[in-house]
This record gives sequence, structure tokens and C-alpha cells, in this order.
Amino acid sequence: DQQVKQNSPSLSVQEGRISILNCDYTNSMFDYFLWYKKYPAEGPTFLISISSIKDKNEDGRFTVFLNKSAKHLSLHIVPSQPGDSAVYFCAASGGGSQGNLIFGKGTKLSVKP
Amino acid sequence: SQTIHQWPATLVQPVGSPLSLECTVEGTSNPNLYWYRQAAGRGLQLLFYSVGIGQISSEVPQNLSASRPQDRQFILSSKKLLLSDSGFYLCAWSVGLGTEAFFGQGTRLTVV
Repeated sequence: DQQVKQNSPSLSVQEGRISILNCDYTNSMFDYFLWYKKYPAEGPTFLISISSIKDKNEDGRFTVFLNKSAKHLSLHIVPSQPGDSAVYFCAASGGGSQGNLIFGKGTKLSVKP
Repeated sequence: SQTIHQWPATLVQPVGSPLSLECTVEGTSNPNLYWYRQAAGRGLQLLFYSVGIGQISSEVPQNLSASRPQDRQFILSSKKLLLSDSGFYLCAWSVGLGTEAFFGQGTRLTVV
């Protein structure tokens, strides 16, 4: 039973354009959401997070949007750069006794020069 | 600043052999510690977490075990490895449960 879903396994974007990575969740108790970036053979690195009391959080080129009614969040990267090519994981926490982070399966982003 | 060390980076072990992966955190006290596994097509699966010395919670029943002998040390073990134990193992720490977790570099385990 997947509580955090990233339905697109891969995404290809041209350099300079916007990358939009999507994530859906099923547990309405989740109240904190995070995005991680992972390069091959390395551990994931934390990118940006958002609390359920907000609907948007911005950090430089990265913006996360949260739509609680749709149980959907997205990560926007503008402008996309070749160095952004990596696997992006969405994670959520706060689901009652589920205090730990629950991760999606990831989306592989390829930014082409 | 806080750092997390995980070793070894790669490991090839025969089926039936024991396993010990070690993780240490520096620059923080009483962290929450985690072991995750990344298998192909399955994302990051939480295996164990610990909120204090000697306190281990298992998320998935399996052939592995974890121990926390010291505040900033977390060990993943197996008495007898299976082929299905192959994967990329990640140690992580956080200040609180459900907050940002910071990951080590990972260990690529191949059981042959």
C-alpha cells in the first residue's frame, strides 16, 4: 500500500525550461512534505520542504506547491540546468503513528543541454 | 556542523556470510538514526529506526537486524546473507521523527 506516489518514473526537460515533478499522497494525516535529490551511488540530499499550513515554499530555483484538498504536491525547478539531472524523491510524514518519513519511488529527471 | 559517515562504500559478500555495516554521526547528540534500503523500482524503504541507545524499531520483517551500542553509532547486521539482501543501504539521521533526514553516502551490497 503506497502512501506516497510518484507516478512518473522519468522526465526529460530542455535546459532553461521548467521542470515539474509531481507527487500524490493518500494519508490525510501527513502534515510535512519534503523533496530529496539523489545522484547515482550517493545518498539523497535534502532540497526543500513544506508544512501543511502553507501552500507554497520557495528556495532559489526550487518551489514546492501543496494542494491539500487534492493530496498533491509538486516541485518546480526554474530554470532547469544539466546539473539538476538526478532522481527526485518525494517524502511525507506525520501520519498519526507514522512519525517517520515515507518516500515515493522517485522520478528520474534528465535535463538536456 | 553535523556529518554522517557510512562504510564501506561497496561490498561483495557470498550467500550465507555475515554482514556488518556501520554508521556514525558527528556534531549532534541523541539523533534519531535510520537504515534505509533502495532496491530497484521500490524507492527508499525504511528498515530500522532508533530514537536512543539500545532502542530499535523494525519496519519490515527480514533477515537483517540493527543495533545502537552508542548514541551516535548505528549498525546493520545479518547472520546469514541471502541473495535478496542485495541493494543500496543508506544510513540517515534526524533531529526528530518526521523531520528532515540527512543521509550518508550509502553502501552498495552485492550478495553472490
